Amino acid sequence: NAGVMQNPRHLVRRRGQEARLRCSPMKGHSHVYWYRQLPEEGLKFMVYLQKENIIDESGMPKERFSAEFPKEGPSILRIQQVVRGDSAAYFCASSPPKRGPQETQYFGPGTRLLVL
Amino acid sequence: DQQVKQNSPSLSVQEGRISILNCDYTNSMFDYFLWYKKYPAEGPTFLISISSIKDKNEDGRFTVFLNKSAKHLSLHIVPSQPGDSAVYFCAASRTSWGKLQFGAGTQVVVTP
Repeated sequence: NAGVMQNPRHLVRRRGQEARLRCSPMKGHSHVYWYRQLPEEGLKFMVYLQKENIIDESGMPKERFSAEFPKEGPSILRIQQVVRGDSAAYFCASSPPKRGPQETQYFGPGTRLLVL
Repeated sequence: DQQVKQNSPSLSVQEGRISILNCDYTNSMFDYFLWYKKYPAEGPTFLISISSIKDKNEDGRFTVFLNKSAKHLSLHIVPSQPGDSAVYFCAASRTSWGKLQFGAGTQVVVTP
């Protein structure tokens, strides 16, 4: 029973390059959330997706960041023209389609992005 | 706009004693509260949750208390064990499935 998978676990990019972060939700989960954790801070919500739909992107920066969750394949968080301030840990979480009072989000191990 | 606050960045407790972690929130629309535990280089792991219709939820060594009038919740761990040494995050949501807003975390160290 594999948990949420994220790859790569570590990613180094130079300023101006693109970063692509992948997230495969737990089996049977159809909802994906992306969070970012800057050093010494808590996790900050970025975007909530269902298959082929963006449900809530209120936490996404307006420029350079995009996310998708296609019908087939993993969810992708894409950062174009990275800057040093994008260096952070990016966590993906997934949840099942039906919600009960104890249902919650299950997190992956994260991708640590370092921008040089 | 920090709507969930954990004002104690760290807590040291002796093995076998009780750990009490505190969390305050400002948004009265929050309806669902959770605690996560996080080890270095890993993702957060769900511990326990509580909805706003309750004031207490217990699961083994972990108990969460919710005081809605004070907009305050706490996590009690008893007895504390060395494996409990980790960062604990409080999180809140307007629904049981919506986006989570996290506090900054409390580093717990359990000493022998």
